Amino acid sequence: EVQLVESGGGLVQPGGSLTLSCAASGFTFSIYWMSWVRQAPGKGLEWVANIKEDGSEKQYVDSVKGRFTISRDNAKNSLYLQMNSLRAEDTAVYYCAREQKWGQGTLVIVSS
Amino acid sequence: DIQMTQSPSTLSASVGDRVTITCRASQSINNWLAWYQLKPGKAPKPLMYKASSLESGVPSRFSGSGSGTEFTLTISSLQPDDFATYYCQQFNSYFGQGTKVEIK
Repeated sequence: EVQLVESGGGLVQPGGSLTLSCAASGFTFSIYWMSWVRQAPGKGLEWVANIKEDGSEKQYVDSVKGRFTISRDNAKNSLYLQMNSLRAEDTAVYYCAREQKWGQGTLVIVSS
Repeated sequence: DIQMTQSPSTLSASVGDRVTITCRASQSINNWLAWYQLKPGKAPKPLMYKASSLESGVPSRFSGSGSGTEFTLTISSLQPDDFATYYCQQFNSYFGQGTKVEIK
């Protein structure tokens, strides 16, 4: 069974940084593109970033380019999202995703 | 970037109605498309994957079709639990803007 478990969310001040992690199990992690998606409170779904199987290609939504970095460690079956220069509008539940399979999400609140 | 466009943005329907939502990709995505149901206060629920495969546990009144650039999600007989917002997504990429299914 595919399992994706996110961690690392929390309260951070505007301008601060946070790193999210996702532990994957139940499938061969190294052969799948992976992504992060988010849902802001009361809002819809937004794709944030994705990364190719071997980490050689990465794509980002315009609103996070230059601030967020997606990475992976295939030896550890783990996906990461380094978030810098955080803004209030980055407040959301962040989900690790493999195609239509998602984790339970981790909440990031950016507030002073 | 491949953009996803859903229509309609809002749909008013009654229990028992057949409902169809359309999702268009700006270029071909083969069948790499998923559909999700979103309700307030709940985690998004995947409904379909690879355009036409039903996610485990999802009622058979939901179906998906399409390939290339045009896709549809159909609910054959709308039930009270189905009033929600629905999103399409190219695998690991952009979502459509959502379709709210509301009570007529």
